[in-house]
Amino acid sequence: KAGVTQTPRYLIKTRGQQVTLSCSPISGHRSVSWYQQTPGQGLQFLFEYFSETQRNKGNFPGRFSGRQFSNSRSEMNVSTLELGDSALYLCASSLGGSSYNEQFFGPGTRLTVL
Amino acid sequence: KQEVTQIPAALSVPEGENLVLNCSFTDSAIYNLQWFRQDPGKGLTSLLLIQSSQREQTSGRLNASLDKSSGRSTLYIAASQPGDSATYLCAVYPSNFGNEKLTFGTGTRLTIIP
Repeated sequence: KAGVTQTPRYLIKTRGQQVTLSCSPISGHRSVSWYQQTPGQGLQFLFEYFSETQRNKGNFPGRFSGRQFSNSRSEMNVSTLELGDSALYLCASSLGGSSYNEQFFGPGTRLTVL
Repeated sequence: KQEVTQIPAALSVPEGENLVLNCSFTDSAIYNLQWFRQDPGKGLTSLLLIQSSQREQTSGRLNASLDKSSGRSTLYIAASQPGDSATYLCAVYPSNFGNEKLTFGTGTRLTIIP
């Protein structure tokens, strides 16, 4: 079974631009969560989508948004990029649904904002 | 608000030694607890998941224990090897169903000296 995949793996953008990151979950998984990892703040939860609906949200500004498609693939968008958005963005998928399910992480997308 | 702390932040030990990494959490109302390793610039590799009904899990040279009442988990690594050098993260699953947000610890950077 293929693991969680994230594209692209690396991105370089300039301040003020916007960016879209993609995450394909493990087949059959319906929940996708996004995390931001920075040296100063560690790993922080952004949001989680289940069956195309945002189910949980972390404490990030509205510039960070996401969506999930009917095939459970998810995209994350960051508008008006700031230098502080430089980070490793990780997504995780799980079965979701009626029990507490293990989360499986992708390799991440390294975003650098210049 | 759940807070997860890992002590020490960094640890260097000679090859072959046994070692223990610690993870403490402030809210004992958790479900699962998971240990990950992260190599520099890479994503997360799951090591062990301790489910709610379990007190410990073992995989090869790794053993993780969980004591919810005291808010502590430990990861024991036997006969350490240079390939074990990485950052180790623990993450707790919230106890309220439908909340897929993991709260991560601050990490322990482990260096095994050949």
